[in-house]
Amino acid sequence: DAKTTQPNSMESNEEEPVHLPCNHSTISGTDYIHWYRQLPSQGPEYVIHGLTSNVNNRMASLAIAEDRKSSTLILHRATLRDAAVYYCIRSASGTYKYIFGTGTRLKVLA
Amino acid sequence: GAGVSQTPSNKVTEKGKYVELRCDPISGHTALYWYRQSLGQGPEFLIYFQGTGAADDSGLPNDRFFAVRPEGSVSTLKIQRTERGDSAVYLCASSPRSTSGGGELFFGEGSRLTVL
Repeated sequence: DAKTTQPNSMESNEEEPVHLPCNHSTISGTDYIHWYRQLPSQGPEYVIHGLTSNVNNRMASLAIAEDRKSSTLILHRATLRDAAVYYCIRSASGTYKYIFGTGTRLKVLA
Repeated sequence: GAGVSQTPSNKVTEKGKYVELRCDPISGHTALYWYRQSLGQGPEFLIYFQGTGAADDSGLPNDRFFAVRPEGSVSTLKIQRTERGDSAVYLCASSPRSTSGGGELFFGEGSRLTVL
């Protein structure tokens, strides 16, 4: 099954770091790991993606386990605007179908 | 704006009617995707276009669903003989080329279809 496993929901306090876990134990060597987030009444928005090495961008960091069976999306300082459903997706190199799971609903407390 | 545009934003129809949903991708994006999202679920892949041709339509649930992209830009998702189970948000996304495992999809805000 290409779907990943994520907790249904998480909470964080504003201004604190958030670590969103994702399990993809059946990942193959050429599968990418993507993260998207979806705010209410909007389409999903790209956050970050990676293959093997940890990745950083202006929105977040992606930490990929050495065996690649899990990864963690890190929001360094959560804000109220980060409250969304976060989707972790794996996609095989050479394919274009992103298989979304049900994601993690992140609640940020003021 | 310069993002993916979808119309209508909301469509209410009666069971058995025909519906068309339109997607205007970001200019220059050759790859276009349709997804469907039911309440409380993640988006579900329907079809992928590279240019004018449907490279993969394996996600279309049955032959009542059809999509076209005649000039390699705007796409229309067509649903015949709508059923109540077709009620969902239909999302369109585009990318500069086939993502081929990596890269970013740009999503529109979706068309919410309600079948009464």
